[in-house]
Amino acid sequence: EMQLVESGGGLVQPGGSLRLSCAASGFTFSNSWMHWVRQAPGKGLVWVSRTNTDVSDTSYADSVKGRFTISRDNAKNTLYLQMNSLRAEDTAVYYCARGWERRLDYWGQGTLVTVSS
Amino acid sequence: DIQMTQSPSSLSASVGDRVTITCRASQSISSYLNWYQQKPGKAPKVLIYAASSLQSGVPSRFSGSGSGTEFTLTISSLQPEDFATYYCQQSYSTPFTFGGGTKVEIK
Repeated sequence: EMQLVESGGGLVQPGGSLRLSCAASGFTFSNSWMHWVRQAPGKGLVWVSRTNTDVSDTSYADSVKGRFTISRDNAKNTLYLQMNSLRAEDTAVYYCARGWERRLDYWGQGTLVTVSS
Repeated sequence: DIQMTQSPSSLSASVGDRVTITCRASQSISSYLNWYQQKPGKAPKVLIYAASSLQSGVPSRFSGSGSGTEFTLTISSLQPEDFATYYCQQSYSTPFTFGGGTKVEIK
């Protein structure tokens, strides 16, 4: 069974940092493009970032460019999102998802990040 | 960036109704358009990809159409489990923007 499990969320002060992880199982992670999508409380989905299979091709939403970094460890079947200089508007549930033929076909359950003093 | 505009933002419908949701792109995205369903507290689930292809396991009452800048998601006969929020997403170019969502509620 394909599974994505996010972790690393929590409460952080404005200006702080957090690293999210997404552990994958049940599929060939190393062959899969991966994405991060977030959802602020009561709001819609916002695409955040994506990486190809070896992090040689990454892309970011303008709102996080220069502050967030996507990475992966194919040996550990894990995707990461390093988030620096966090702002209140970064408060959201963060989902990782597998990109397959230009769609996000499997999603994790999400991890909540709260940026507040 | 490509902007995705969904309409309506919400609708009320009854079980058995035919429901149509529209998504417009700010520029042509060919057929690189996906539809997702999200229920409260749950992760989104892909229903339709490439504008009109049904994701494996999704009931055939869901269908998608369109190309270029105008797309529709149709639910032919609304079922109780279909009450949810629906999002379109373009995968033509990054950032892979989502529409604002359409909440389908029980009338």
